[in-house]
Amino acid sequence: QVQLQESGPRQVEPSATLSLTCGVSEGSLGTYYWSWIRQSPGKGLEWIAHITKDGTTDFNPSLESRVTIFMDTSKNQFSLGLSQVTAADTAKYYCAREYNLGFDHWGRGILVTVS
Amino acid sequence: EIQMTQSPPSQSASVGETVTISCRASQNIATFLSWYQQLPGQAPRILMYTVSMLSSGVPSRFAGRGSGKDFSLTITGLQPEDFATYFCQQTYGTPYTFGQGTTVEV
Repeated sequence: QVQLQESGPRQVEPSATLSLTCGVSEGSLGTYYWSWIRQSPGKGLEWIAHITKDGTTDFNPSLESRVTIFMDTSKNQFSLGLSQVTAADTAKYYCAREYNLGFDHWGRGILVTVS
Repeated sequence: EIQMTQSPPSQSASVGETVTISCRASQNIATFLSWYQQLPGQAPRILMYTVSMLSSGVPSRFAGRGSGKDFSLTITGLQPEDFATYFCQQTYGTPYTFGQGTTVEV
Protein backbone atom coordinates (compact mmCIF):
# COMPACT_ATOMS: atom_id res chain seq x y z
CA GLN A 1 0.00 0.00 0.00
CA VAL A 2 1.68 3.19 -1.17
CA GLN A 3 1.85 6.02 1.35
CA LEU A 4 2.27 9.72 0.66
CA GLN A 5 3.47 12.31 3.14
CA GLU A 6 3.47 16.07 2.69
CA SER A 7 6.14 18.16 4.35
CA GLY A 8 7.08 21.80 4.46
CA PRO A 9 6.53 24.99 6.43
CA ARG A 10 3.12 25.47 7.94
CA GLN A 11 3.31 29.23 7.83
CA VAL A 12 4.42 31.40 4.94
CA GLU A 13 4.62 35.16 4.77
CA PRO A 14 2.59 37.08 2.20
CA SER A 15 4.35 37.47 -1.16
CA ALA A 16 6.78 34.66 -0.32
CA THR A 17 6.98 31.27 -2.05
CA LEU A 18 5.26 28.25 -0.57
CA SER A 19 7.33 25.09 -1.00
CA LEU A 20 6.03 21.63 -0.21
CA THR A 21 7.38 18.14 -0.79
CA CYS A 22 5.53 14.86 -1.06
CA GLY A 23 7.40 11.73 -0.12
CA VAL A 24 6.22 8.53 -1.71
CA SER A 25 6.80 5.28 0.15
CA GLU A 26 7.45 3.11 -2.88
CA GLY A 27 9.65 3.68 -5.88
CA SER A 28 6.72 4.22 -8.21
CA LEU A 29 7.14 7.84 -9.26
CA GLY A 30 7.97 6.82 -12.79
CA THR A 31 4.81 4.76 -13.13
CA TYR A 32 1.95 7.09 -12.25
CA TYR A 33 0.79 10.70 -12.44
CA TRP A 34 1.17 12.78 -9.27
CA SER A 35 -0.94 15.75 -8.25
CA TRP A 36 -1.19 18.55 -5.77
CA ILE A 37 -4.65 19.48 -4.56
CA ARG A 38 -5.69 22.01 -1.96
CA GLN A 39 -8.79 22.48 0.14
CA SER A 40 -10.04 25.62 1.78
CA PRO A 41 -13.40 26.50 3.28
CA GLY A 42 -13.99 29.14 0.66
CA LYS A 43 -13.00 27.29 -2.51
CA GLY A 44 -13.49 23.65 -1.66
CA LEU A 45 -11.20 21.14 -3.35
CA GLU A 46 -8.99 22.69 -6.01
CA TRP A 47 -6.65 20.76 -8.27
CA ILE A 48 -3.38 22.66 -8.59
CA ALA A 49 -1.13 20.70 -10.94
CA HIS A 50 0.20 17.31 -11.82
CA ILE A 51 3.41 15.83 -13.08
CA THR A 52 3.30 12.78 -15.25
CA LYS A 53 5.44 9.71 -15.12
CA ASP A 54 7.69 11.07 -17.86
CA GLY A 55 8.07 14.44 -16.15
CA THR A 56 5.63 16.51 -18.17
CA THR A 57 3.45 18.93 -16.25
CA ASP A 58 -0.01 20.44 -16.39
CA PHE A 59 -1.40 23.25 -14.29
CA ASN A 60 -4.66 24.80 -13.23
CA PRO A 61 -4.83 27.97 -15.35
CA SER A 62 -5.96 29.94 -12.32
CA LEU A 63 -2.61 29.26 -10.65
CA GLU A 64 -0.32 28.47 -13.56
CA SER A 65 1.67 31.69 -13.49
CA ARG A 66 2.70 31.03 -9.88
CA VAL A 67 3.13 27.25 -9.75
CA THR A 68 6.06 24.93 -10.27
CA ILE A 69 6.05 21.18 -9.84
CA PHE A 70 8.91 18.77 -10.19
CA MET A 71 9.89 15.27 -9.16
CA ASP A 72 13.06 13.68 -7.84
CA THR A 73 12.89 9.99 -8.57
CA SER A 74 16.15 9.32 -6.71
CA LYS A 75 14.45 10.51 -3.51
CA ASN A 76 10.97 9.15 -4.34
CA GLN A 77 9.43 12.59 -3.95
CA PHE A 78 7.78 15.36 -5.87
CA SER A 79 7.45 19.00 -4.95
CA LEU A 80 5.24 22.05 -5.31
CA GLY A 81 6.20 25.68 -5.42
CA LEU A 82 3.62 28.47 -5.26
CA SER A 83 4.98 31.99 -5.50
CA GLN A 84 3.59 35.35 -4.44
CA VAL A 85 1.23 33.84 -1.91
CA THR A 86 -1.62 35.75 -0.33
CA ALA A 87 -4.16 34.96 2.35
CA ALA A 88 -6.26 33.33 -0.37
CA ASP A 89 -3.62 30.59 -0.61
CA THR A 90 -4.21 29.51 2.98
CA ALA A 91 -5.45 25.95 2.67
CA LYS A 92 -4.78 22.34 3.43
CA TYR A 93 -2.49 21.02 0.70
CA TYR A 94 -2.64 17.40 -0.34
CA CYS A 95 -0.48 15.34 -2.63
CA ALA A 96 -2.18 12.49 -4.41
CA ARG A 97 -1.60 9.72 -6.92
CA GLU A 98 -3.66 9.55 -10.06
CA TYR A 99 -4.76 6.10 -11.10
CA ASN A 100 -7.53 4.85 -13.30
CA LEU A 101 -9.03 8.31 -13.77
CA GLY A 102 -9.16 9.19 -10.11
CA PHE A 103 -7.00 10.01 -7.12
CA ASP A 104 -6.56 6.67 -5.40
CA HIS A 105 -3.98 7.55 -2.75
CA TRP A 106 -3.70 10.80 -0.81
CA GLY A 107 -1.36 12.17 1.77
CA ARG A 108 -2.82 13.27 5.07
CA GLY A 109 -2.50 16.89 4.04
CA ILE A 110 -0.62 19.83 5.47
CA LEU A 111 -2.33 23.02 6.60
CA VAL A 112 -0.45 26.04 5.33
CA THR A 113 -1.31 29.48 6.63
CA VAL A 114 -0.24 32.65 4.86
CA SER A 115 0.41 35.34 7.44
CA GLU B 1 -13.09 24.94 -16.92
CA ILE B 2 -15.81 22.40 -16.27
CA GLN B 3 -18.03 23.36 -13.33
CA MET B 4 -19.37 20.60 -11.11
CA THR B 5 -22.51 21.32 -9.11
CA GLN B 6 -23.66 19.03 -6.34
CA SER B 7 -26.99 18.90 -4.61
CA PRO B 8 -28.08 19.05 -1.93
CA PRO B 9 -25.31 20.75 0.06
CA SER B 10 -26.34 18.70 3.06
CA GLN B 11 -28.76 15.92 3.77
CA SER B 12 -30.07 14.56 7.03
CA ALA B 13 -30.56 10.84 7.24
CA SER B 14 -30.70 7.93 9.64
CA VAL B 15 -28.92 4.61 9.78
CA GLY B 16 -30.54 2.18 7.36
CA GLU B 17 -31.96 4.82 5.05
CA THR B 18 -31.13 5.32 1.40
CA VAL B 19 -29.47 8.55 0.35
CA THR B 20 -28.94 9.92 -3.15
CA ILE B 21 -26.57 12.74 -4.03
CA SER B 22 -26.65 14.49 -7.38
CA CYS B 23 -23.82 15.96 -9.40
CA ARG B 24 -24.14 17.95 -12.60
CA ALA B 25 -21.36 18.93 -14.98
CA SER B 26 -21.42 22.16 -16.96
CA GLN B 27 -20.68 20.19 -20.12
CA ASN B 28 -20.76 16.63 -21.34
CA ILE B 29 -18.08 14.61 -19.55
CA ALA B 30 -19.21 11.18 -20.79
CA THR B 31 -18.41 8.84 -17.88
CA PHE B 32 -15.31 10.61 -16.63
CA LEU B 33 -16.57 11.05 -13.09
CA SER B 34 -15.26 9.92 -9.72
CA TRP B 35 -16.77 10.07 -6.25
CA TYR B 36 -14.93 10.64 -2.96
CA GLN B 37 -15.81 10.39 0.71
CA GLN B 38 -14.21 12.65 3.28
CA LEU B 39 -14.43 12.17 7.02
CA PRO B 40 -13.68 15.14 9.30
CA GLY B 41 -9.98 15.84 9.53
CA GLN B 42 -9.08 13.22 6.93
CA ALA B 43 -8.09 13.25 3.30
CA PRO B 44 -10.70 12.34 0.73
CA ARG B 45 -10.96 8.66 -0.11
CA ILE B 46 -11.95 7.52 -3.56
CA LEU B 47 -15.18 5.54 -3.72
CA MET B 48 -15.78 5.18 -7.41
CA TYR B 49 -14.08 5.60 -10.79
CA THR B 50 -15.75 6.21 -14.14
CA VAL B 51 -19.18 6.70 -12.60
CA SER B 52 -19.80 3.24 -11.21
CA MET B 53 -16.60 1.24 -10.72
CA LEU B 54 -16.09 0.67 -7.01
CA SER B 55 -12.64 1.28 -5.66
CA SER B 56 -10.99 -1.54 -3.78
CA GLY B 57 -12.58 -2.15 -0.40
CA VAL B 58 -15.62 0.05 -0.97
CA PRO B 59 -18.81 -1.75 0.05
CA SER B 60 -21.47 -2.51 -2.50
CA ARG B 61 -24.06 -0.31 -0.78
CA PHE B 62 -22.44 2.53 -2.71
CA ALA B 63 -23.62 2.83 -6.30
CA GLY B 64 -22.99 5.41 -8.99
CA ARG B 65 -25.03 6.18 -12.06
CA GLY B 66 -25.16 8.61 -14.95
CA SER B 67 -23.41 9.81 -18.05
CA GLY B 68 -23.04 13.02 -19.97
CA LYS B 69 -23.88 15.82 -17.56
CA ASP B 70 -25.98 14.21 -14.82
CA PHE B 71 -24.73 11.78 -12.21
CA SER B 72 -25.76 10.40 -8.87
CA LEU B 73 -24.32 8.53 -5.92
CA THR B 74 -26.69 6.34 -3.93
CA ILE B 75 -25.94 4.84 -0.55
CA THR B 76 -28.39 2.04 0.22
CA GLY B 77 -28.72 1.12 3.88
CA LEU B 78 -26.72 3.94 5.43
CA GLN B 79 -24.18 2.81 8.05
CA PRO B 80 -22.77 4.90 10.92
CA GLU B 81 -19.40 5.19 9.14
CA ASP B 82 -21.11 6.70 6.07
CA PHE B 83 -21.88 10.03 7.75
CA ALA B 84 -19.37 12.13 5.88
CA THR B 85 -18.95 14.62 3.07
CA TYR B 86 -19.07 13.38 -0.51
CA PHE B 87 -17.51 14.99 -3.55
CA CYS B 88 -17.80 14.36 -7.24
CA GLN B 89 -14.90 15.09 -9.56
CA GLN B 90 -14.60 15.20 -13.31
CA THR B 91 -11.60 13.59 -14.94
CA TYR B 92 -12.65 14.47 -18.47
CA GLY B 93 -9.92 17.06 -18.73
CA THR B 94 -7.68 19.40 -16.85
CA PRO B 95 -8.10 21.42 -14.78
CA TYR B 96 -9.77 18.60 -12.89
CA THR B 97 -12.65 20.06 -10.90
CA PHE B 98 -14.66 18.95 -7.90
CA GLY B 99 -18.16 19.56 -6.72
CA GLN B 100 -18.62 21.63 -3.58
CA GLY B 101 -19.55 18.59 -1.54
CA THR B 102 -22.62 17.09 0.09
CA THR B 103 -22.56 16.42 3.80
CA VAL B 104 -24.62 13.46 4.94
CA GLU B 105 -25.48 14.01 8.57
CA VAL B 106 -27.66 12.60 11.25
